[in-house]
Amino acid sequence: SQQGEEDPQALSIQEGENATMNCSYKTSINNLQWYRQNSGRGLVHLILIRSNEREKHSGRLRVTLDTSKKSSSLLITASRAADTASYFCATDGGATNKLIFGTGTLLAVQP
Amino acid sequence: NAGVMQNPRHLVRRRGQEARLRCSPMKGHSHVYWYRQLPEEGLKFMVYLQKENIIDESGMPKERFSAEFPKEGPSILRIQQVVRGDSAAYFCASSPGGGPAHGYTFGSGTRLTVV
Repeated sequence: SQQGEEDPQALSIQEGENATMNCSYKTSINNLQWYRQNSGRGLVHLILIRSNEREKHSGRLRVTLDTSKKSSSLLITASRAADTASYFCATDGGATNKLIFGTGTLLAVQP
Repeated sequence: NAGVMQNPRHLVRRRGQEARLRCSPMKGHSHVYWYRQLPEEGLKFMVYLQKENIIDESGMPKERFSAEFPKEGPSILRIQQVVRGDSAAYFCASSPGGGPAHGYTFGSGTRLTVV
């Protein structure tokens, strides 16, 4: 399977704390993306990092990419209850047609 | 500018019936992708279409599933003779160009339940 893996599978933190999620993938990539999915809803695109980038920021989000280890991390700083959701990484697998999603991390932020 | 519109949001079918899922891409987007999400799992690619053409159907089951994106109207994902294992959320995404590097916009999904 080309599907990546994320860890942890589930993460529970207090509001105000930072949340770090990790993603590993198996193939070469052109880019890696992170998405958020609220329970029973569609996916919301958060951030895209290209294979020649090592770090990217967007608001309270920080994404790193290590292509030598085929891994990425998503850091959410100063978490809020509204950040409670599942977070998925997705790669293009080096191809251009489709995204390969990880298994997701379920983040619960306690108020 | 409406986003990607999928309907219905929820669909219940009995085993053996047909399910038709519709997806209207964002205005100006001519590339459509269908993904399936089983409970507690990530999304799995099914098919990529442009207007009137299937570009990549490597993720589609060989039997019972078909997809189209006609010149006029929405993209349709059709599942014939549904079975319980088809119960899942089906998501459509669209992009202005081919592939995820151009930016995907996902719809809210259709949740299919087969009883």
